[in-house]
Amino acid sequence: KQEVTQIPAALSVPEGENLVLNCSFTDSAIYNLQWFRQDPGKGLTSLLLIQSSQREQTSGRLNASLDKSSGRSTLYIAASQPGDSATYLCAVVGGGADGLTFGKGTHLIIQP
Amino acid sequence: DTEVTQTPKHLVMGMTNKKSLKCEQHMGHRAMYWYKQKAKKPPELMFVYSYEKLSINESVPSRFSPECPNSSLLNLHLHALQPEDSALYLCASSQGTGVPGELFFGEGSRLTVL
Repeated sequence: KQEVTQIPAALSVPEGENLVLNCSFTDSAIYNLQWFRQDPGKGLTSLLLIQSSQREQTSGRLNASLDKSSGRSTLYIAASQPGDSATYLCAVVGGGADGLTFGKGTHLIIQP
Repeated sequence: DTEVTQTPKHLVMGMTNKKSLKCEQHMGHRAMYWYKQKAKKPPELMFVYSYEKLSINESVPSRFSPECPNSSLLNLHLHALQPEDSALYLCASSQGTGVPGELFFGEGSRLTVL
């Protein structure tokens, strides 16, 4: 059964810092990996999708990498801003599971 | 347009009520999903429709009944729910052709069962 782990569970940093969120998965037979952002009480906003054949994807200040063989992905946020405060969820498709398998998320607070 | 629209945003119902949650997308996606999310937990998959046919039912109790009237609409009919069913219900869609692609989520329907 696919399991997704996100570290750290919570993170608080001053504005302007660069930071890295980590995601690991147990079964490397995935189709793709997706990073989401969720604000309190809201739905999920897709940030980046990495196909299994890709190594990284970039969108603005966000860069996500994928090392499928080791079962790891990182989300790099450059020059963090208070508006980046949210819960960040990593999810994978495949690896023996139907639909998306989510990690428990990293709760990120950017201090002004 | 990368929007998935869910209605209502909030719903309060008693255990004997019958209500429905609705979801709509106009991206031409052929796969639609229902997820359930409890507070401070990740979303859990409930149902998947592919080309308007139910393809996955994750052992969800029969008091939840999904329906996909056409490729743009997805409903979740609710009947005789329990207080523990209170949660955020999220709808999502994806292209649904070939390798699973990017999922797009709606804002969710916040359900409270009294």
